[in-house]
Amino acid sequence: AQKITQTQPGMFVQEKEAVTLDCTYDTSDPSYGLFWYKQPSSGEMIFLIYQGSYDQQNATEGRYSLNFQKARKSANLVISASQLGDSAMYFCAMRDPNQKLVFGTGTRLLVSP
Amino acid sequence: EAGVVQSPRYKIIEKKQPVAFWCNPISGHNTLYWYLQNLGQGPELLIRYENEEAVDDSQLPKDRFSAERLKGVDSTLKIQPAELGDSAVYLCASSFKGNEQYFGPGTRLTVT
Repeated sequence: AQKITQTQPGMFVQEKEAVTLDCTYDTSDPSYGLFWYKQPSSGEMIFLIYQGSYDQQNATEGRYSLNFQKARKSANLVISASQLGDSAMYFCAMRDPNQKLVFGTGTRLLVSP
Repeated sequence: EAGVVQSPRYKIIEKKQPVAFWCNPISGHNTLYWYLQNLGQGPELLIRYENEEAVDDSQLPKDRFSAERLKGVDSTLKIQPAELGDSAVYLCASSFKGNEQYFGPGTRLTVT
C-alpha cells in the first residue's frame, strides 16, 4: 500500500527566505505521481506542482520546485523567496496507478515579516 | 474558467439527521472524487467516479453513506443518519483523464 510521510508538523520561515518541506513516500508500484497541494485557512486545496516517477528532471513551477530523489523515495517541496501569503498547510500526495491520491498529514508553514 | 463548486459551505445538523452535499466539477472533467478530511489530517478518498460510473467506492461506509453522479456531471454525497464522528470537511475534486485533481472549497459538516 502507498504511504506518504511528512515529519514536520510546523515550519517557520522569514519573508524572502527559502524553505524546504519534507516528504517521503513508500510504494511498490514502478509508476506513480507525486503532488504538492497548498491549503490556506479558507479550506480549498490548491494544486502546486507535479512530479512523475519517470520524469528525469525535477519539476518547477514559478517559486515552487520539487526535489525528487527517487532512490531515497523523497519528494521535498522547495519554496523560494517566501511571501506572507505562503502561510498555509502543505500536503504531499502520491497517485497510484488506480488514480487514487494518498495524502500525508501535512506541514503548517508560517511566514513571518 | 470556473473551478469546482460545492454547496453548502457549512452545515450544522443534529445526529441521526440526514444531510446532502452537492458538487459541480470543472467543465469537461470526466473524473470526480469525494474526499473526507478530518481535523489535522490529509484528505482520504471516499469514492471516485469515471463519468457516471463509481469505479472506486471501497472506502465509502455504505451503511450510511451514498453518492450519485447522474448524467456524469454533478454529484451528490449523502449521509443518513449522521453520527457525531461524521463531523469533518467533505471535499470534492475533479480531473481530466486522471491528470492533476482540482479541489473545491469543501463543505464543513458539524454534527451535534
